[in-house]
Amino acid sequence: RKEVEQDPGPFNVPEGATVAFNCTYSNSASQSFFWYRQDCRKEPKLLMSVYSSGNEDGRFTAQLNRASQYISLLIRDSKLSDSATYLCVVNGRGYQKVTFGIGTKLQVIP
Amino acid sequence: EAEVAQSPRYKITEKSQAVAFWCDPISGHATLYWYRQILGQGPELLVQFQDESVVDDSQLPKDRFSAERLKGVDSTLKIQPAELGDSAMYLCASSKQGSEAYEQYFGPGTRLTVT
Repeated sequence: RKEVEQDPGPFNVPEGATVAFNCTYSNSASQSFFWYRQDCRKEPKLLMSVYSSGNEDGRFTAQLNRASQYISLLIRDSKLSDSATYLCVVNGRGYQKVTFGIGTKLQVIP
Repeated sequence: EAEVAQSPRYKITEKSQAVAFWCDPISGHATLYWYRQILGQGPELLVQFQDESVVDDSQLPKDRFSAERLKGVDSTLKIQPAELGDSAMYLCASSKQGSEAYEQYFGPGTRLTVT
């Protein structure tokens, strides 16, 4: 089993739709979790950290489920500008290995 | 807004040649990462520095790749000799210590093409 798994998609959704992505991880000792956004041929940019209590930033909501070992990202009222690849990142304890998922591609269509 | 600097942005080299990439992290960021990203895949960590010390280089192909961060600030990643399979985007990222220690900020990357 891969350390971090994501559905590569693509997810094609109409403008205004709500879309959710999951990311599963195999190491139960993982400590920190993040979502990054990456536009085509650009560097990843931090979208949001994922806290145990969940967190929300505008139209974006991230959740952590430690029991089932996955994190999720929910995007409400999708915009054309949300089209990108969404990468999840899992960090172990201390300086243990940082692992990126393969990314989930989102295409918002008019 | 402070940024991670990388150079060059693009590099074309012939196989068996040596190539080097440079990264200057955000000022005050103690942790520096080098990643390789192949098109259609997520970034793969090559090496992680804490100040001038390597804390993880388990995925670095040490027969041909080397990395250094001598004064704990900027860093160089070298490939010698380059192989066709090394064609990829090489990304540098940095993060600061403390509660936000793992929030990484990426530079624009160096796109390497080996011919």
